[in-house]
Amino acid sequence: EVQLVESGGGLVQPGGSLRLSCAASGFTFSSYDMHWVRQATGKGLEWVSAIGTAGDTYYPGSVKGRFTISRENAKNSLYLQMNSLRAGDTAVYYCAREATDGAFDIWGQGTMVTVSS
Amino acid sequence: EIVLTQSPGTLSLSPGERATLSCRASQSVSSSYLAWYQQKPGQAPRLLIYGASSRATGIPDRFSGSGSGTDFTLTISRLEPEDFAVYYCQQYGSSPTFGGGTKVEIK
Repeated sequence: EVQLVESGGGLVQPGGSLRLSCAASGFTFSSYDMHWVRQATGKGLEWVSAIGTAGDTYYPGSVKGRFTISRENAKNSLYLQMNSLRAGDTAVYYCAREATDGAFDIWGQGTMVTVSS
Repeated sequence: EIVLTQSPGTLSLSPGERATLSCRASQSVSSSYLAWYQQKPGQAPRLLIYGASSRATGIPDRFSGSGSGTDFTLTISRLEPEDFAVYYCQQYGSSPTFGGGTKVEIK
């Protein structure tokens, strides 16, 4: 079964750091571009970062310089290192697989990140 | 950044009725790199449509997508009880962006 499972969420103080993980199974992880998408409670979806199969990375302005996406193909794992966290970063964070066409065809169940003092 | 505007914000319909959801882009979406997702409470989004009009694997044919350039539409021909959910459009031709969502609720 093709699956993505996120972990690493939790409560962190403003200015703190957190590292999210996403474990992939059921497909050749190294062959796919991967993404992180977040969703604040009751709000819409926001793309957070992407990493290509060659390790090239992409970010929107809202997280550039604070978040770092990485991958470890040998472990079929995707990561998101989040630094200088703010209250506005509070959300459920999903990892997602990019299909050949470019749409996001597989999503994990999400992990909750709460930034609060 | 391409901004996607979805309308209406909420659609109140009865099972069996037709649903028409709109997604308008602030600039042309290249090569129809436009997708639609369905999200139910407490669940992750699920891909319905990619390439503006192609159904994803396992998606019933009552779901259809159309449009190009800046105007796109998701149509659900006859609403089933399990179709009441929030629907998002997404463009992935450049840095991905999502629309604000349309909630399809039971009338």
